[in-house]
Amino acid sequence: NAGVTQTPKFQVLKTGQSMTLQCAQDMNHNSMYWYRQDPGMGLRLIYYSASEGTTDKGEVPNGYNVSRLNKREFSLRLESAAPSQTSVYFCASSSNLRLAGGLYEQYFGPGTRLTVT
Amino acid sequence: GQQVMQIPQYQHVQEGEDFTTYCNSSTTLSNIQWYKQRPGGHPVFLIQLVKSGEVKKQKRLTFQFGEAKKNSSLHITATQTTDVGTYFCAGDNDMRFGAGTRLTVKP
Repeated sequence: NAGVTQTPKFQVLKTGQSMTLQCAQDMNHNSMYWYRQDPGMGLRLIYYSASEGTTDKGEVPNGYNVSRLNKREFSLRLESAAPSQTSVYFCASSSNLRLAGGLYEQYFGPGTRLTVT
Repeated sequence: GQQVMQIPQYQHVQEGEDFTTYCNSSTTLSNIQWYKQRPGGHPVFLIQLVKSGEVKKQKRLTFQFGEAKKNSSLHITATQTTDVGTYFCAGDNDMRFGAGTRLTVKP
């Protein structure tokens, strides 16, 4: 099993460009998440999907959109990239949603390092 | 919203010394999780604490959950170079991670 995979690993964008970050998991998990990680700020939740067909905003959703394409895949789209979106993006999955008080550990992908110039 | 504060931000130790990181929440947590992230890597789940006053051990790592379920700690006994990385706590209520404690170990 590959676990959680993310593409691309690295990306450089110019301000105003758009792109989609891809994430897939092969663990048959219901819930998936997108985080960004900035130095000194830990992980911040952008969006999450409790189950196929549902998505919800996290702590920092502005400037992003997501699509839960099917149970395996959860993509993150930047419509008009800004330098403030320079960060490392992590996708994660868990067997079920944690926000409802569930006790499920998250499995993280390797991350995408995005630079916006 | 819930705030999860983690201290210290950085800790540098000599190999063999002990290390402790603390996680404090402004609200009562239903549970708390701990993750480790090696330099250049991704977070990896270590453990979850659920019960008030709970203590769990994993080899040299000891995890505690406070009686009021508002704080937690991770203690490493006799650090090794393999312990290098950033340790994060995460409160379950709204998925807020602490900023992490970055541990470096001098051989």
